Amino acid sequence: DAGITQSPRHKVTETGTPVTLRCHQTENHRYMYWYRQDPGHGLRLIHYSYGVKDTDKGEVSDGYSVSRSKTEDFLLTLESATSSQTSVYFCAIRPTSGSSYEQYFGPGTRLTVT
Amino acid sequence: KNEVEQSPQNLTAQEGEFITINCSYSVGISALHWLQQHPGGGIVSLFMLSSGKKKHGRLIATINIQEKHSSLHITASHPRDSAVYICAAPPNTGNQFYFGTGTSLTVIP
Repeated sequence: DAGITQSPRHKVTETGTPVTLRCHQTENHRYMYWYRQDPGHGLRLIHYSYGVKDTDKGEVSDGYSVSRSKTEDFLLTLESATSSQTSVYFCAIRPTSGSSYEQYFGPGTRLTVT
Repeated sequence: KNEVEQSPQNLTAQEGEFITINCSYSVGISALHWLQQHPGGGIVSLFMLSSGKKKHGRLIATINIQEKHSSLHITASHPRDSAVYICAAPPNTGNQFYFGTGTSLTVIP
């Protein structure tokens, strides 16, 4: 257990509404990631962060923004949700002590955009 | 082009069978990560390995860095092994990980 929580765990929202997902970690890890998981595609990187206020885009960043104002929180925002953003969203951290090759995942957020 | 390829994509086995899942990658890595995801569940770490073989219970993972190939074996498979198995490759440079699309395993009693 790497002390990662995600909220909400489930959300149904309407097309065009803004949505913010929260990832919270308790162990002060520097690297945090947001992925989406869809059938046939596996895990795809949306955005990641390598420190407070330091973020970068992943392969599927269009329509998403992120913010990291504190080490422990990494927020993912869908500015105007679309049905194509219906997915399961996972947050992950990468420890920088010990093995730097592993990632630990949060429990996921199932988002449905109707 | 996928940097990490897994095979097979789907696998159905009878309880007790020996199972092999393969992962090949094209990126330069120093280690490879095997993950497990039960239906509707979270993603948990099984193995991180950079050479040779690791064993945990009935699960065995092997890697050949030179050949860019890793395998996950399950001996005496059980229905509770039914899950999606994902291999992940952290690159030697940069911060982004590469993931296989997963192998969906169903073990029938």
